[in-house]
Amino acid sequence: GAVVSQHPSRVICKSGTSVKIECRSLDFQATTMFWYRQFPKQSLMLMATSNEGSKATYEQGVEKDKFLINHASLTLSTLTVTSAHPEDSSFYICSARTGTVNEKLFFGSGTQLSVL
Amino acid sequence: AQSVTQLGSHVSVSEGALVLLRCNYSSSVPPYLFWYVQYPNQGLQLLLKYTTGATLVKGINGFEAEFKKSETSFHLTKPSAHMSDAAEYFCAVSGGGGSNYKLTFGKGTLLTVNP
Repeated sequence: GAVVSQHPSRVICKSGTSVKIECRSLDFQATTMFWYRQFPKQSLMLMATSNEGSKATYEQGVEKDKFLINHASLTLSTLTVTSAHPEDSSFYICSARTGTVNEKLFFGSGTQLSVL
Repeated sequence: AQSVTQLGSHVSVSEGALVLLRCNYSSSVPPYLFWYVQYPNQGLQLLLKYTTGATLVKGINGFEAEFKKSETSFHLTKPSAHMSDAAEYFCAVSGGGGSNYKLTFGKGTLLTVNP
């Protein structure tokens, strides 16, 4: 089946630094990718929708200048957490939507971000 | 707007017993409903989904769910639990149509299976 690779799986960084998370669709072209955030024992919250070649659409309350999303190709989307702070520590998950007629959604394995 | 409520953050069953994971939703439009499973250190995998048509939906690994509009429910069941079913399960809803993959998730239910 289709695979979505998310990297890194775990990252620890100092407060004030920036962290980039990559989401790749390995065997299909993803016209749309989604980025989610998950706090412990909470549901996945949609942060933004990323369409290849265009600006991402952010959900209400998500700071677009803090969470930079780039979808430069049909197989790669990146999420950059800029000037990270401890409150940004969370589990981030991407998903990729196939653009075929029988479209499906596939998820990455997530990235655990810890900001010290 | 949509929302999902999963009753019970943790469900424990014995191997061979019935699995019942509860999900109630709210949606202002006809919903698409999904169940996903997440194993440790892995991404979410789709178990089954309801879009239109038959309200009893069969998925992978012997799971099924029934869409009950009158009860706004989409509970997940499996007749006989297996040890390999131990995982976190998420119910999700979308607005259907063109936005059928803009999902709203529940908080998840951790299923443990006891030998």
